[in-house]
Amino acid sequence: GQNIDQPTEMTATEGAIVQINCTYQTSGFNGLFWYQQHAGEAPTFLSYNVLDGLEEKGRFSSFLSRSKGYSYLLLKELQMKDSASYLCAVREPTGGGNKLTFGTGTQLKVEL
Amino acid sequence: EPEVTQTPSHQVTQMGQEVILRCVPISNHLYFYWYRQILGQKVEFLVSFYNNEISEKSEIFDDQFSVERPDGSNFTLKIRSTKLEDSAMYFCARLLQGADGYTFGSGTRLTVV
Repeated sequence: GQNIDQPTEMTATEGAIVQINCTYQTSGFNGLFWYQQHAGEAPTFLSYNVLDGLEEKGRFSSFLSRSKGYSYLLLKELQMKDSASYLCAVREPTGGGNKLTFGTGTQLKVEL
Repeated sequence: EPEVTQTPSHQVTQMGQEVILRCVPISNHLYFYWYRQILGQKVEFLVSFYNNEISEKSEIFDDQFSVERPDGSNFTLKIRSTKLEDSAMYFCARLLQGADGYTFGSGTRLTVV
């Protein structure tokens, strides 16, 4: 079966750094996505890792270890607008062209 | 400007009624997907659609659901007889080549009363 775990909630201070962890156990693996989702809106793409290592994209970085089934999203220089839910999703190679299996999301609250 | 437009943005329907949700991709995508998200829960895969055929579906996608691409452009999800538990956000998604190619539409909020 598929199992993707991430913390339910996190709180951090404006200007600080926060790391959101994700562990996964899936029947197949073809990459891992991180999405940001504000309440009532669609998930928006943040990062994608398919090989081990760190991918950096501005204030956001994402790390993957396939052998450990582990990823994290690192957000630097936090801003109030970063308050949102962060979704970890594994891309599984299926006959249907790669469906995504999502974790429950981590609700991040950025405080002054 | 979203690359994938969904209509309507919000639909309220009575239990037992049929609803059709629409997705209009701008460019010529090959793979389409429907996902749903019940309020407060995770995003769940419903169905994938390739070359005008269903290529995979989840256990959620039962006989009450169907998908079509009737005119080669719009991509529709039909729920034949809605139930209260069908209330959710429904997202279509498209897949292109490239790392960021998996993009979601703006979503339709379906409320069944």
